Amino acid sequence: QKEVEQNSGPLSVPEGAIASLNCTYSDRGSQSFFWYRQYSGKSPELIMFIYSNGDKEDGRFTAQLNKASQYVSLLIRDSQPSDSATYLCAVKGNTPLVFGKGTRLSVIA
Amino acid sequence: DAGVIQSPRHEVTEMGQEVTLRCKPISGHDYLFWYRQTMMRGLELLIYFNNNVPIDDSGMPEDRFSAKMPNASFSTLKIQPSEPRDSAVYFCASSQTFGGVTGELFFGEGSRLTVL
Repeated sequence: QKEVEQNSGPLSVPEGAIASLNCTYSDRGSQSFFWYRQYSGKSPELIMFIYSNGDKEDGRFTAQLNKASQYVSLLIRDSQPSDSATYLCAVKGNTPLVFGKGTRLSVIA
Repeated sequence: DAGVIQSPRHEVTEMGQEVTLRCKPISGHDYLFWYRQTMMRGLELLIYFNNNVPIDDSGMPEDRFSAKMPNASFSTLKIQPSEPRDSAVYFCASSQTFGGVTGELFFGEGSRLTVL
């Protein structure tokens, strides 16, 4: 059973702070890792993906991957109220994406 | 591009009734996925198709659920008979390759099902 675990939150951070979202996965054969954002009542949308160990930066977002620890994280710098959403970690190997239940982020103005 | 189109957006029905959810994937996408989202279980894969052929339906909860893809531009998910525990948001998603080169699935807006 492939599992993706996330802290459900809510994670509350003040505007301008760094939000840190974490994810662990069970399948060591997983090859690629994704972060989706889902606003309340909306569908998930891809914000970042990462394949290799280390960091990947895209604007205010940084994804971090540690395959040895089976750990993925997402950092959001200079958090804005518009970042308030649920963030879904997803993992892909030889099967379609397996999603975690998501972490709800609340950025307080 | 219009994106993935799902209908109905909202469905309220009574236990025992048949429910049919519909999906039109993005043109040119070879893969179509049906996911179900609940607070308790998160986003779960029910079934996926490649070139209109069902590949893996192991996520379909029971025989009351069935899915078809008669052509490249249309898929249905049917629940018969429906039960209150089927209440959830059902998402259809499509991708150009298996999970996409970037893993990007393009989701429809979802069909929110409430079974009374």
